[in-house]
Parts: sequence; C-alpha cells; structure tokens
Amino acid sequence: DIQMTQSPSTLSASVGDRVTITCRASQSINSWLAWYQQKPGKAPKLLIYKASTLESGVPSRFSGSGSGTEFTLTISSLQPDDFATYYCQQYNSFSTFGGGTQVEIK
Amino acid sequence: EVQMVESGGGLVQPGGSLRLSCAASGFMFSVYAMSWVRQAPGKGLEWVSAISGSGDTTYYADSVKGRFTISRDNSKNTLYLQMNSLRAEDTAVYFCAKGGGGDQFDNWGQGTLVTVSS
Repeated sequence: DIQMTQSPSTLSASVGDRVTITCRASQSINSWLAWYQQKPGKAPKLLIYKASTLESGVPSRFSGSGSGTEFTLTISSLQPDDFATYYCQQYNSFSTFGGGTQVEIK
Repeated sequence: EVQMVESGGGLVQPGGSLRLSCAASGFMFSVYAMSWVRQAPGKGLEWVSAISGSGDTTYYADSVKGRFTISRDNSKNTLYLQMNSLRAEDTAVYFCAKGGGGDQFDNWGQGTLVTVSS
C-alpha cells in the first residue's frame, strides 16, 4: 500500500502570507496526486488534481507542483477564507489520503 | 448542478448492519465510477470502497474487505454501501464521492454519520 505523509500537521499563518504544504509518497505515484480543502462540518473540496491542474473555480492563489514522491501545495497570499484543513490524495494505486494539515490563524 | 445526498446513517450496535444510500443528480451517473470515503471524528479521510460505472468491478480498503459491499442502481442514480459486522472503529461520517479508486474526487455529498456503540 502507498502511504502519504503530509507536513506540517499544523501551520500558523497570517493573512497575506505565502504558505507551503508538503506531501510525500512512500513510492512513486507519477503525477496522480490531488489536494483538497476541508472546513469543519463540510465535505472536502477538490482544489488541484494531477499534481498541478487547478480545478475549475478555484482561485489562482492556489498552486501545486511535484512528481514522483514529493509534492507541494502553495497558497501565494493567504486569505481569510483559506483557514481550513488541507489533504493530499494519491490515486496512482487505489486511493490514499495524507494525514492533513490544519492552517490556523497566527 | 452535480448533487449527491447520502442517507441511512445512525446508531448501531457492534456486530450490527446498516445500509447507506447516495442519491446522485446533475451528471450521467452510469458513466462514472463512484466511491465511499469516511472520516472518523476528529480524524483524517479514509477511502473505503469504489465501484465502476457499470457496477461490474468493485474495490475495497483492507479495513472493510469482507464486511462491506458497495453496489449501485444506475436506473435510480443511487449508490449503496452495505455494512455488516460493524465495529466501533467504523464510527465515522461517510461521504459518497464522484470518482473511482484511481481518480480524484471532484464532487462529494454532505456525508452521513454512522455511530457504532452499545
């Protein structure tokens, strides 16, 4: 089974900050990686798929990069609506999620 | 507009059974693989099961294999999850999601809570 490790697990940041979240796969997943945003009591929302493709309607301040085993999600300028938990997901072999990164207000 | 509405959650005793449903609309249901993803209270996301568009092929996480059965009725645009031999660790919000085991999930339902407790 492919394991996904996200870091950090918690991130404190201010509005306007540049934020980077890392996701590492236990083996190569090519570019079969997605990123989701989840707010309390809500379903996850797809932000990015195939490592770097922005889902329709998602603000351009979100971007993804990487391939193989190491991936990053970057928020170029954190907005109030972005305080949430973020998950990566590999879908190279079935599906596995990372443990999540909670982005909280500093 | 794509919409998915789960139902069927509730409180069940350990060893019991429950069947979840997910009613889908706004897209050609029979064309797409579908999945169930769960989230234990305060925890992360766990993919549970997936089914092909035709229903011919199914996939399960090891944690539920042999206890859960995924199925679909394309004439009713509805996805199901039959859960048997439930355990306390199955307690979670269960989401249905558009996409299979090898896909990103581009649409999700609101989730239904399953609580396994005596």
